[in-house]
Amino acid sequence: SQQGEEDPQALSIQEGENATMNCSYKTSINNLQWYRQNSGRGLVHLILIRSNEREKHSGRLRVTLDTSKKSSSLLITASRAADTASYFCATDAQGGSEKLVFGKGTKLTVNP
Amino acid sequence: DAGVTQSPTHLIKTRGQQVTLRCSPKSGHDTVSWYQQALGQGPQFIFQYYEEEERQRGNFPDRFSGHQFPNYSSELNVNALLLGDSALYLCASREGGETQYFGPGTRLLVL
Repeated sequence: SQQGEEDPQALSIQEGENATMNCSYKTSINNLQWYRQNSGRGLVHLILIRSNEREKHSGRLRVTLDTSKKSSSLLITASRAADTASYFCATDAQGGSEKLVFGKGTKLTVNP
Repeated sequence: DAGVTQSPTHLIKTRGQQVTLRCSPKSGHDTVSWYQQALGQGPQFIFQYYEEEERQRGNFPDRFSGHQFPNYSSELNVNALLLGDSALYLCASREGGETQYFGPGTRLLVL
């Protein structure tokens, strides 16, 4: 079963705008990771945030984590057409990150 | 440094057949996990191999089996294929750390 739920399921924006995607999960976690997937290909790791962190940045990406609400958000600033992809959050369902549990993803379309 | 590689990229089989998918982990990575991704869904964990043994398994039937070789490469075998086994099969590797690096996947179509 899916652990996380991304919201929205689909998002369409113009180039240069910011894109925000949300993820909710059900159980306690050690960390939460965001991945990008282009056109049904492999997953590209974007960023990992640990349960004791609240915010993390990487380039144009900003991730927040609220463990009390069991939710995370991914913000992509100044989006580009190349950012068009599906974005997934993944959590380690048990203590050791052995198994990643994914949501269904958010499909982001950035229009030029 | 080559990342995670998988072969073949695409595969077409018929119901009842058997299939073997292959994965070479990223250099230095000793742990390999397999995931199944149905169309429009997120990946689902099948199992993980470390030191040539299955360490953890997801909710998949025994028709799904695997193997890890001494060089850390891995195979996923699926017997008695069903139409519902059609999916993208992803391999991921890691070495001690928390981040799992994924390969490009093998797209399996069962007719």
